Amino acid sequence: KQEVTQIPAALSVPEGENLVLNCSFTDSAIYNLQWFRQDPGKGLTSLLLIQSSQREQTSGRLNASLDKSSGRSTLYIAASQPGDSATYLCAVFNQAGTALIFGKGTTLSVSS
Amino acid sequence: EAGVAQSPRYKIIEKRQSVAFWCNPISGHATLYWYQQILGQGPKLLIQFQNNGVVDDSQLPKDRFSAERLKGVDSTLKIQPAKLEDSAVYLCASSLGRGSGLEQYFGPGTRLTVT
Repeated sequence: KQEVTQIPAALSVPEGENLVLNCSFTDSAIYNLQWFRQDPGKGLTSLLLIQSSQREQTSGRLNASLDKSSGRSTLYIAASQPGDSATYLCAVFNQAGTALIFGKGTTLSVSS
Repeated sequence: EAGVAQSPRYKIIEKRQSVAFWCNPISGHATLYWYQQILGQGPKLLIQFQNNGVVDDSQLPKDRFSAERLKGVDSTLKIQPAKLEDSAVYLCASSLGRGSGLEQYFGPGTRLTVT
């Protein structure tokens, strides 16, 4: 059974810092992996989708990497801003490649 | 392009009452999902539709939860009767086709409180 773990559960940093959020999964036979952002009381916003054949994906200040063999993905946020404060969720697709299996998320707080 | 729409945004009911949630996916998206997100947890899939057919409902508590997607567009999720542990955010998502690993787009969710 696939399980997704995110470390740390919470993170506080000053504005301008570069930071890394970690995601691990137990079954390396995954399809794609998707990173989301969730603001309090809001739905999920898709940040990056990494195809299973890719090693990384970039969007603006965000860079996500995928290492299937070790069952890990990282989300790198450069030059953090207070507006980056949110919960970041990592999700992998189930064996059928249809539904997503989520971690519990990392709650990020960036202070100005 | 309009996103996934959900209503209501908030609902408070007493246990043993019934409640229904509505979702309108992105236009042209064939696949629709309902997820349950309990506070402090990641979302968990309840049911997945491909057009108007059910693809996966293995984690849906069928004794109290039901869902339908008539005409392959809008969907409703119903809980009857509700229990305290059903308090959660119910998220609807959609994706373009049937293929594996397709990007999913989420709505704002409906926050249900059962008292």
